[in-house]
Amino acid sequence: DQQVKQNSPSLSVQEGRISILNCDYTNSMFDYFLWYKKYPAEGPTFLISISSIKDKNEDGRFTVFLNKSAKHLSLHIVPSQPGDSAVYFCAASARSGGSNYKLTFGKGTLLTVNP
Amino acid sequence: NAGVTQTPKFQVLKTGQSMTLQCAQDMNHEYMSWYRQDPGMGLRLIHYSVGAGITDQGEVPNGYNVSRSTTEDFPLRLLSAAPSQTSVYFCASSYRAANTEAFFGQGTRLTVV
Repeated sequence: DQQVKQNSPSLSVQEGRISILNCDYTNSMFDYFLWYKKYPAEGPTFLISISSIKDKNEDGRFTVFLNKSAKHLSLHIVPSQPGDSAVYFCAASARSGGSNYKLTFGKGTLLTVNP
Repeated sequence: NAGVTQTPKFQVLKTGQSMTLQCAQDMNHEYMSWYRQDPGMGLRLIHYSVGAGITDQGEVPNGYNVSRSTTEDFPLRLLSAAPSQTSVYFCASSYRAANTEAFFGQGTRLTVV
């Protein structure tokens, strides 16, 4: 049973436009959400995160929005640049056994930004 | 600053062979974890450790063993390799737990024939 869902395997946008990547989750115990970016043949790198007590977090061109009632979050990239072309993973964590946390990842969305 | 180092980068094993994937970090992170990435499956947690001497199972632990004798190292052992373990393996570390920024290694591409 997939607890973190990224329903769009791929997304293509024009340079300078907005990229919106979506993520849905089913586990109401998730209290922290993260986005990771992955280039081919490299490990994922952390991009931005948000706690469940917030509904928005912004870092430069990247903004993450959280809608807890809908169990939905999205990553906005404005403006999109060709270097943003990568696979984006949504991840969520929930308290598990005391202070331990596990990260659950979605399947990823391949973003292609066309010049 | 090396970050998280995984060795080897590539490996081909025969079914039934055993091997150890190495992972080392130099950031004094307490939390380390192993993931596997398969096409269309995202990253799935195999095992994790919240400190030296403490390990726990993740989502897909069968066929893998881990130990954490030092803060720096977190090796992943395949006991008897199977074709279903063909995958890309990533080791990650973070300062506290999974809800803080994790640093990933570059991955080990393993093929079991």
